[in-house]
Amino acid sequence: QVEVQQWGAGLLKPSETLSLTCVVYRGSFSDHHWTWIRQPPGKGLEWIGSIDLRGSTSTDPSLQSRATLSLDASTRQFSLKLRSVTAADAAVYYCARVLYNHYAMDVWGKGTTVTVSS
Amino acid sequence: QSVLTQPASVSASPGQSITISCSGTTSDIETYDFVSWYQHHPGQGPKLILYDVSERPSGISDRFSGSKSDNTASLTISGLQAEDEGDYYCCSNTSGGTFVVFGGGTKVTVL
Repeated sequence: QVEVQQWGAGLLKPSETLSLTCVVYRGSFSDHHWTWIRQPPGKGLEWIGSIDLRGSTSTDPSLQSRATLSLDASTRQFSLKLRSVTAADAAVYYCARVLYNHYAMDVWGKGTTVTVSS
Repeated sequence: QSVLTQPASVSASPGQSITISCSGTTSDIETYDFVSWYQHHPGQGPKLILYDVSERPSGISDRFSGSKSDNTASLTISGLQAEDEGDYYCCSNTSGGTFVVFGGGTKVTVL
């Protein structure tokens, strides 16, 4: 059973950089795209960006200038960095596996709560 | 404000059926058949329960079914059980510049 575990700093000050990482246990890593999704308090889910083994990325246009996705196949890890965070970036952040060609996410991490406060 | 529109809440008694709607536009649901649904319990990651409008992943109960008509997708849960309580999100691919868009979520309460 594929499992994704995620970690990263949960409390940031405005203007700092959010950094989150996920590791994939079991199953194929190279055959899939991997994605980041967030849920601000009291709101719905928001797609952030996706990455594949070749390092090809796509990012929500509203975050493109601040977000960097990366992947390390040797350690089966993928990461998200979001620069210059503000209170609007406070959310629960999830990493997930993309069920490619179906535009669905079939394996999810448990989520990391990120708070932005001075 | 979410791109796809869902009712904020739905409630019913055990054993009954409920249907959650998800309305989109020609940029997403109306044009594509890549609608997925997720069940979300607090403290956990969302769980995929339907993809491609009506396909169930392995291990998902056949009490969950999906359909689509024009710009609206629907999730039906039949034989409602206490464990079905939680939040449900719809999702669709889109030509609007992002990979996917989500609904705002529907809270399901089993009375």
